[in-house]
Amino acid sequence: DIVVTQSPDSLAVSLGERATINCKSSQSVFYSANNRNYLAWYQQKPGQPPKVLIYWASTRESGVPDRFSGSGSGTDFTLTISSLQAEDVAIYYCQQYYSPPLVFGGGTKVEIK
Amino acid sequence: QLQLQESGPGLVKPSETLSLTCSVSGGSIIISNYYWGWIRQPPGKGLEWIGSIYYSGRTYYNPSLKSRVTFSVDTSKNQFSLKLDSVTAADTAIYYCARVTSRGYSYGYSDFDYWGPGIFVTVSS
Repeated sequence: DIVVTQSPDSLAVSLGERATINCKSSQSVFYSANNRNYLAWYQQKPGQPPKVLIYWASTRESGVPDRFSGSGSGTDFTLTISSLQAEDVAIYYCQQYYSPPLVFGGGTKVEIK
Repeated sequence: QLQLQESGPGLVKPSETLSLTCSVSGGSIIISNYYWGWIRQPPGKGLEWIGSIYYSGRTYYNPSLKSRVTFSVDTSKNQFSLKLDSVTAADTAIYYCARVTSRGYSYGYSDFDYWGPGIFVTVSS
């Protein structure tokens, strides 16, 4: 099974500043035949289900603000919030969907400093 | 707008079977290349994929739960269901149903774009 590890576990960022979350998979999730990385990012606010923000590692889901961006390839990925807003306080998860079983990272809690 | 809603008992006794249903509205469960999934989240912890099911009944289960899980689908009611046998306190969690997108490397294994609000199930005597 692919193991997915996120870091840090939590971070506090000032409003308007950049937040960076890392996600590492134990095996590559890149499929060379179509040049895609099978990794998604989710945002989960308290009392709500997760919401997909990014898929294929860097493609923003419809309606997601452009301050959210995903990057990386192979085994190392990053979710960046370019200018943190109050409504971005949440736990963020990455998920690999390259091979079964589907696995989520442990989550990163983002708070306001 | 597609909506999903979980239903079932919020309390299950140890060693019994947990049964949940997901009702889909605003769209048909019969849609090519889209699977329907179950994910759970123990209190204060992360997300665990339980498995995925197609409207035809084809299923994929997480190996860690495969021996205890059974999925089914009722296309006439636009619903799909989960049964988890021999539950213990470790199965206490919020259970989510969700739509599996067709963006995956293979259908049934992908990310999730529509989620139900979740149902909290406690396993306790």
